[in-house]
Order: sequence, then structure tokens, then C-alpha cells
Amino acid sequence: EAGVAQSPRYKIIEKRQSVAFWCNPISGHATLYWYQQILGQGPKLLIQFQNNGVVDDSQLPKDRFSAERLKGVDSTLKIQPAKLEDSAVYLCASSPGGRGFDTEAFFGQGTRLTVV
Amino acid sequence: AQTVTQSQPEMSVQEAETVTLSCTYDTSESDYYLFWYKQPPSRQMILVIRQEAYKQQNATENRFSVNFQKAAKSFSLKISDSQLGDAAMYFCAYTAYNAGNMLTFGGGTRLMVKP
Repeated sequence: EAGVAQSPRYKIIEKRQSVAFWCNPISGHATLYWYQQILGQGPKLLIQFQNNGVVDDSQLPKDRFSAERLKGVDSTLKIQPAKLEDSAVYLCASSPGGRGFDTEAFFGQGTRLTVV
Repeated sequence: AQTVTQSQPEMSVQEAETVTLSCTYDTSESDYYLFWYKQPPSRQMILVIRQEAYKQQNATENRFSVNFQKAAKSFSLKISDSQLGDAAMYFCAYTAYNAGNMLTFGGGTRLMVKP
């Protein structure tokens, strides 16, 4: 079974530029998550999708961050304009959906963003 | 709001010995799940072990086991017979049963294994 795919692996941009990250979840997984992991910290949830609808985006800085999941499959996360404090690893995860013990989240390898 | 705290930023263990990583959490929920994830330098989070809060029996997966103390809101991870490949960041995580598996992570513990 193919895992969660993310691209690019690394990205360096200047502040005030825009950037986009792509995630392809495990086939058939209804739920998709984007996490932000600042160096030395644990991941923090930015947004959760159930199919192509947003379940929770309460921690997404909506003035500069946006995310979409067209057709309920792959997803993009965009930052525009980027700030220095956006430097982090952006992790995508997916799970089969629903509730309960069998909804294990599977993570991709993340995109490391450096804003200079 | 739920919080997860890992008080040990760094731990080290001799190969083949046992180490315990600590985690405490705060929640008002009665139904929830707790997890330990491993994050090697490749950055991919790998599930090590999980525990359902309603189960009194501590979870075990091969060399990994937990000590779940619900009243104390404590969830520690014990790694037995430590191997060089166990060296990584370890994160404790929590999700409420009705939270759609949205994870709240602790700050992590870096585990070093000495040969």
C-alpha cells in the first residue's frame, strides 16, 4: 500500500513570497490533516478535511494560509505572503475516517520550508 | 483545551537497556486515545503504540509498553532492550474520541542510544 505522498521535500523562499505544498493521501482515506511542526516542537494541527469539506481550521492563520482538497482526494496548502516565522516542517496525514480506535493517522515525510 | 506535556527534552540509554519516557496530559473528556509516535531524521511520524482510555490493561507492542495511569493523567513509554534504531524523537499525542482523530502532540523527547 502506497503511503502519504508530499512534495516538495524542501523549499526555500524569501519573505513575502508565496509557496504551495501538495499532499496525496493513502487511497480511500476520507480524512486528511495538515500539521505545522516548528523546529524543536511537536506538530500542531492546522486544518482537517473530511472528504472535501473542512472539519476544523480553527488554528489556520487565514490571513495568509489557505488549503483546499478538491474532489476529496489530494490537497494543497498555500502560504501567501510568507513570514519568517512560517519556517517549519509541514506534515500531511490521512486516516480512513470515522471515529474510534481504527482511525490511525498515517503521516507523509513532510515539506521543510525555510523562509529567509 | 487539551494539553500534552513531555518534561524530558532529551534522554539517553545504553544499548540493550531499558528506558522510560514520560508524558502527562490534561483533558476533561472521558473517552479518548493516547499515542506514542516516533520521528526519525526522515521526519515521517511512525506510530509506536496506542492506548484506549477505557481499557485498564496497558498496551504492549513487542519491546514497547506503556504505563497508563488514568487518574493521574500519565502515559509513559517503556522501551526494553533498546536498539540503535530506536534513536529518534518521540512524541506523546492525544485525541478525544469525538475529535475525528485530530491529534494534540507534546513537545517531544529526543532519545539517544549509546552503543
